[in-house]
Amino acid sequence: EDQVTQSPEALRLQEGESSSLNCSYTVSGLRGLFWYRQDPGKGPEFLFTLYSAGEEKEKERLKATLTKKESFLHITAPKPEDSATYLCAVHPSSGTYKYIFGTGTRLKVLA
Amino acid sequence: DGGITQSPKYLFRKEGQNVTLSCEQNLNHDAMYWYRQDPGQGLRLIYYSQIVNDFQKGDIAEGYSVSREKKESFPLTVTSAQKNPTAFYLCASRGRGRINEKLFFGSGTQLSVL
Repeated sequence: EDQVTQSPEALRLQEGESSSLNCSYTVSGLRGLFWYRQDPGKGPEFLFTLYSAGEEKEKERLKATLTKKESFLHITAPKPEDSATYLCAVHPSSGTYKYIFGTGTRLKVLA
Repeated sequence: DGGITQSPKYLFRKEGQNVTLSCEQNLNHDAMYWYRQDPGQGLRLIYYSQIVNDFQKGDIAEGYSVSREKKESFPLTVTSAQKNPTAFYLCASRGRGRINEKLFFGSGTQLSVL
Protein backbone atom coordinates (compact mmCIF):
# COMPACT_ATOMS: atom_id res chain seq x y z
CA GLU A 1 0.00 0.00 0.00
CA ASP A 2 1.26 3.46 -0.90
CA GLN A 3 2.05 5.46 2.21
CA VAL A 4 3.63 8.74 3.31
CA THR A 5 4.82 9.38 6.88
CA GLN A 6 6.10 12.71 8.15
CA SER A 7 8.12 13.27 11.29
CA PRO A 8 8.20 14.85 13.74
CA GLU A 9 4.53 15.80 14.14
CA ALA A 10 5.54 19.06 15.76
CA LEU A 11 8.83 20.92 16.14
CA ARG A 12 9.76 23.99 18.18
CA LEU A 13 12.96 25.81 17.28
CA GLN A 14 14.66 28.91 18.51
CA GLU A 15 15.29 31.55 15.86
CA GLY A 16 18.52 30.61 14.09
CA GLU A 17 18.42 26.96 15.20
CA SER A 18 18.67 24.82 12.05
CA SER A 19 16.86 21.49 11.75
CA SER A 20 15.34 18.99 9.31
CA LEU A 21 11.87 17.61 8.65
CA ASN A 22 11.46 14.08 7.36
CA CYS A 23 9.08 12.57 4.80
CA SER A 24 9.29 8.78 4.40
CA TYR A 25 7.38 7.17 1.58
CA THR A 26 6.46 3.74 0.30
CA VAL A 27 5.24 3.60 -3.28
CA SER A 28 5.63 1.16 -6.14
CA GLY A 29 7.18 3.89 -8.28
CA LEU A 30 7.75 7.61 -7.74
CA ARG A 31 6.60 10.10 -10.34
CA GLY A 32 7.23 13.12 -8.11
CA LEU A 33 7.48 14.28 -4.49
CA PHE A 34 6.15 17.67 -3.47
CA TRP A 35 6.66 19.93 -0.45
CA TYR A 36 4.07 22.49 0.57
CA ARG A 37 3.79 25.10 3.30
CA GLN A 38 0.40 25.66 4.92
CA ASP A 39 -0.48 28.55 7.22
CA PRO A 40 -3.47 28.22 9.59
CA GLY A 41 -6.80 28.59 7.80
CA LYS A 42 -5.17 28.80 4.36
CA GLY A 43 -4.51 26.49 1.45
CA PRO A 44 -1.14 24.81 0.94
CA GLU A 45 1.48 26.83 -0.91
CA PHE A 46 3.84 24.99 -3.24
CA LEU A 47 7.53 24.91 -2.32
CA PHE A 48 9.39 22.20 -4.26
CA THR A 49 9.08 19.26 -6.63
CA LEU A 50 11.66 16.46 -6.57
CA TYR A 51 11.71 13.72 -9.19
CA SER A 52 14.66 11.40 -8.59
CA ALA A 53 17.03 10.26 -5.87
CA GLY A 54 19.92 12.64 -5.35
CA GLU A 55 18.00 15.68 -6.48
CA GLU A 56 18.12 18.86 -4.35
CA LYS A 57 16.18 22.12 -4.52
CA GLU A 58 16.76 25.34 -2.56
CA LYS A 59 14.73 28.42 -1.81
CA GLU A 60 15.90 31.01 0.71
CA ARG A 61 16.34 29.17 4.04
CA LEU A 62 14.80 25.93 2.77
CA LYS A 63 16.49 23.01 1.04
CA ALA A 64 14.74 19.81 -0.04
CA THR A 65 16.56 16.56 -0.75
CA LEU A 66 15.39 13.16 -2.00
CA THR A 67 16.53 9.57 -1.59
CA LYS A 68 14.83 6.38 -2.74
CA LYS A 69 12.90 6.10 0.53
CA GLU A 70 12.65 9.56 2.02
CA SER A 71 12.89 13.29 1.59
CA PHE A 72 14.22 15.91 3.95
CA LEU A 73 13.30 19.55 4.23
CA HIS A 74 16.25 21.34 5.80
CA ILE A 75 15.60 24.70 7.42
CA THR A 76 18.71 26.81 7.94
CA ALA A 77 18.70 29.62 10.50
CA PRO A 78 14.89 29.78 10.66
CA LYS A 79 12.96 32.94 11.44
CA PRO A 80 9.58 33.25 13.20
CA GLU A 81 7.90 33.79 9.82
CA ASP A 82 8.90 30.24 8.86
CA SER A 83 6.37 28.97 11.41
CA ALA A 84 3.77 26.89 9.53
CA THR A 85 2.76 23.32 8.80
CA TYR A 86 4.90 21.66 6.14
CA LEU A 87 3.21 19.00 4.03
CA CYS A 88 4.79 16.31 1.90
CA ALA A 89 2.93 14.65 -0.97
CA VAL A 90 3.88 11.80 -3.27
CA HIS A 91 2.65 11.27 -6.81
CA PRO A 92 3.00 7.55 -7.58
CA SER A 93 3.80 6.46 -11.11
CA SER A 94 0.95 3.94 -10.89
CA GLY A 95 -1.85 6.52 -10.98
CA THR A 96 -1.85 9.72 -12.97
CA TYR A 97 -4.45 11.39 -10.74
CA LYS A 98 -3.33 10.13 -7.36
CA TYR A 99 -1.48 12.16 -4.72
CA ILE A 100 -0.77 10.79 -1.23
CA PHE A 101 -0.30 13.35 1.49
CA GLY A 102 1.45 13.04 4.82
CA THR A 103 -0.10 14.48 7.97
CA GLY A 104 2.42 17.31 8.10
CA THR A 105 4.95 18.75 10.53
CA ARG A 106 3.86 21.79 12.58
CA LEU A 107 6.87 24.06 12.92
CA LYS A 108 7.04 26.84 15.48
CA VAL A 109 10.05 29.17 15.44
CA LEU A 110 10.47 31.25 18.58
CA ALA A 111 12.03 34.71 18.54
CA ASP B 1 -3.28 37.12 -11.34
CA GLY B 2 -3.97 33.45 -12.10
CA GLY B 3 -5.19 31.27 -9.31
CA ILE B 4 -7.95 29.30 -7.64
CA THR B 5 -10.80 31.03 -5.84
CA GLN B 6 -12.85 29.20 -3.25
CA SER B 7 -15.97 30.61 -1.65
CA PRO B 8 -17.28 31.10 0.89
CA LYS B 9 -14.42 31.09 3.38
CA TYR B 10 -16.77 29.96 6.18
CA LEU B 11 -19.99 27.97 5.78
CA PHE B 12 -22.48 26.65 8.29
CA ARG B 13 -24.82 23.76 7.60
CA LYS B 14 -28.03 22.92 9.37
CA GLU B 15 -29.06 19.31 9.82
CA GLY B 16 -30.70 17.90 6.69
CA GLN B 17 -29.43 20.70 4.51
CA ASN B 18 -27.34 20.46 1.35
CA VAL B 19 -24.64 23.10 0.89
CA THR B 20 -22.47 23.91 -2.11
CA LEU B 21 -18.85 25.02 -2.04
CA SER B 22 -17.59 27.01 -5.01
CA CYS B 23 -14.23 26.54 -6.77
CA GLU B 24 -13.18 28.62 -9.78
CA GLN B 25 -9.78 28.62 -11.51
CA ASN B 26 -8.31 30.83 -14.25
CA LEU B 27 -5.13 28.79 -14.74
CA ASN B 28 -6.52 26.97 -17.81
CA HIS B 29 -6.00 23.66 -16.01
CA ASP B 30 -7.85 20.55 -17.15
CA ALA B 31 -7.64 18.61 -13.88
CA MET B 32 -9.38 19.73 -10.71
CA TYR B 33 -9.64 18.11 -7.28
CA TRP B 34 -11.55 18.34 -4.00
CA TYR B 35 -9.82 17.36 -0.75
CA ARG B 36 -11.01 17.22 2.81
CA GLN B 37 -8.61 18.14 5.63
CA ASP B 38 -9.22 17.10 9.23
CA PRO B 39 -6.88 17.85 12.14
CA GLY B 40 -4.12 15.26 12.43
CA GLN B 41 -4.96 13.64 9.10
CA GLY B 42 -3.51 13.97 5.65
CA LEU B 43 -5.55 15.45 2.84
CA ARG B 44 -8.15 12.95 1.64
CA LEU B 45 -9.47 12.95 -1.92
CA ILE B 46 -13.23 13.39 -2.36
CA TYR B 47 -13.61 13.78 -6.14
CA TYR B 48 -11.44 14.64 -9.08
CA SER B 49 -12.08 15.66 -12.67
CA GLN B 50 -9.64 15.38 -15.54
CA ILE B 51 -11.84 17.00 -18.15
CA VAL B 52 -15.12 18.86 -18.57
CA ASN B 53 -18.24 16.71 -18.07
CA ASP B 54 -16.24 13.91 -16.50
CA PHE B 55 -15.37 13.22 -12.86
CA GLN B 56 -14.42 10.27 -10.65
CA LYS B 57 -14.92 9.37 -7.02
CA GLY B 58 -11.98 9.59 -4.70
CA ASP B 59 -11.42 7.77 -1.42
CA ILE B 60 -14.22 9.42 0.57
CA ALA B 61 -16.94 10.36 -1.97
CA GLU B 62 -19.95 9.15 0.04
CA GLY B 63 -22.23 12.05 0.98
CA TYR B 64 -20.71 14.41 -1.61
CA SER B 65 -21.50 15.28 -5.22
CA VAL B 66 -19.80 17.38 -7.89
CA SER B 67 -20.32 18.73 -11.40
CA ARG B 68 -17.92 19.90 -14.09
CA GLU B 69 -19.90 21.81 -16.70
CA LYS B 70 -17.14 24.34 -17.37
CA LYS B 71 -13.38 24.00 -17.42
CA GLU B 72 -13.04 26.81 -14.89
CA SER B 73 -15.54 25.58 -12.33
CA PHE B 74 -15.80 22.50 -10.08
CA PRO B 75 -18.42 22.99 -7.35
CA LEU B 76 -18.78 20.52 -4.47
CA THR B 77 -22.12 19.80 -2.81
CA VAL B 78 -22.09 18.39 0.70
CA THR B 79 -25.37 16.51 1.02
CA SER B 80 -27.40 15.66 4.11
CA ALA B 81 -26.10 12.09 3.72
CA GLN B 82 -22.66 13.26 4.91
CA LYS B 83 -23.07 12.80 8.65
CA ASN B 84 -19.77 14.33 9.71
CA PRO B 85 -19.17 17.26 7.36
CA THR B 86 -17.22 19.53 9.69
CA ALA B 87 -13.82 19.95 8.05
CA PHE B 88 -11.62 22.25 5.98
CA TYR B 89 -12.26 21.73 2.26
CA LEU B 90 -9.58 22.40 -0.32
CA CYS B 91 -9.94 22.69 -4.08
CA ALA B 92 -6.90 22.15 -6.28
CA SER B 93 -5.95 22.04 -9.94
CA ARG B 94 -3.00 21.06 -12.05
CA GLY B 95 -1.78 21.40 -15.62
CA ARG B 96 -0.65 18.86 -18.19
CA GLY B 97 2.73 17.22 -18.51
CA ARG B 98 5.15 16.06 -15.88
CA ILE B 99 6.58 19.48 -15.10
CA ASN B 100 3.07 20.79 -14.44
CA GLU B 101 1.95 18.08 -12.04
CA LYS B 102 2.24 20.13 -8.88
CA LEU B 103 -1.15 20.92 -7.40
CA PHE B 104 -2.27 24.52 -6.99
CA PHE B 105 -4.62 25.02 -4.06
CA GLY B 106 -7.33 27.50 -3.23
CA SER B 107 -7.58 29.20 0.14
CA GLY B 108 -10.10 26.69 1.50
CA THR B 109 -13.62 26.65 2.95
CA GLN B 110 -14.24 25.82 6.61
CA LEU B 111 -17.55 24.00 6.92
CA SER B 112 -19.19 23.65 10.31
CA VAL B 113 -22.46 22.14 11.48
CA LEU B 114 -24.95 24.28 13.42
